[in-house]
Amino acid sequence: QQQVKQSPQSLIVQKGGISIINCAYENTAFDYFPWYQQFPGKGPALLIAIRPDVSEKKEGRFTISFNKSAKQFSLHIMDSQPGDSATYFCAASNPGAGSYQLTFGKGTKLSVIP
Amino acid sequence: DSGVTQTPKHLITATGQRVTLRCSPRSGDLSVYWYQQSLDQGLQFLIQYYNGEERAKGNILERFSAQQFPDLHSELNLSSLELGDSALYFCASSDSPVDTQYFGPGTRLTVL
Repeated sequence: QQQVKQSPQSLIVQKGGISIINCAYENTAFDYFPWYQQFPGKGPALLIAIRPDVSEKKEGRFTISFNKSAKQFSLHIMDSQPGDSATYFCAASNPGAGSYQLTFGKGTKLSVIP
Repeated sequence: DSGVTQTPKHLITATGQRVTLRCSPRSGDLSVYWYQQSLDQGLQFLIQYYNGEERAKGNILERFSAQQFPDLHSELNLSSLELGDSALYFCASSDSPVDTQYFGPGTRLTVL
């Protein structure tokens, strides 16, 4: 059972454009939603994270939008740059049991073309 | 650089063998998580330790085990290896059981 569904699998965006990646979750106990960026040969790196008490969080060119009722959240990358080309993973966790173990989406490979 | 180190970077072994992957968390971090990344399953949580004690268990096979030592480094032991165990294994650390996780560079395991 895939608890976090991510789409699209791959995305091609022109430089300067907006990249949008969507995730949906099933477990209503999730209450921490991070996004990770992974370059080839590297480990995932935390990009931005949100908790369900806010509907949007912005850090630089990266914004998370969160819709609790729809159980969906998305990552928007404004003014996308070739250096943003990477695989992006959404994730969710339920820390109620005292652990932030992450349940990841399958990933989105983003290519930003000049 | 996340501050989390993992050794070895690459490991090639044969089916039926046993290997040990090592992780050193960021300075001061008490919590260590292990994840497996494969093409078909994606990133999956295996197990978490906090200050030497097992805190949470995920999709970890019985052939796999882990421990966290008094100096807080952790080892993931994989035994009776099968072809399907070939994957990237990541360690992540955080400074409490419920905080942001920082991932290491991973160990790529190839089972032939």
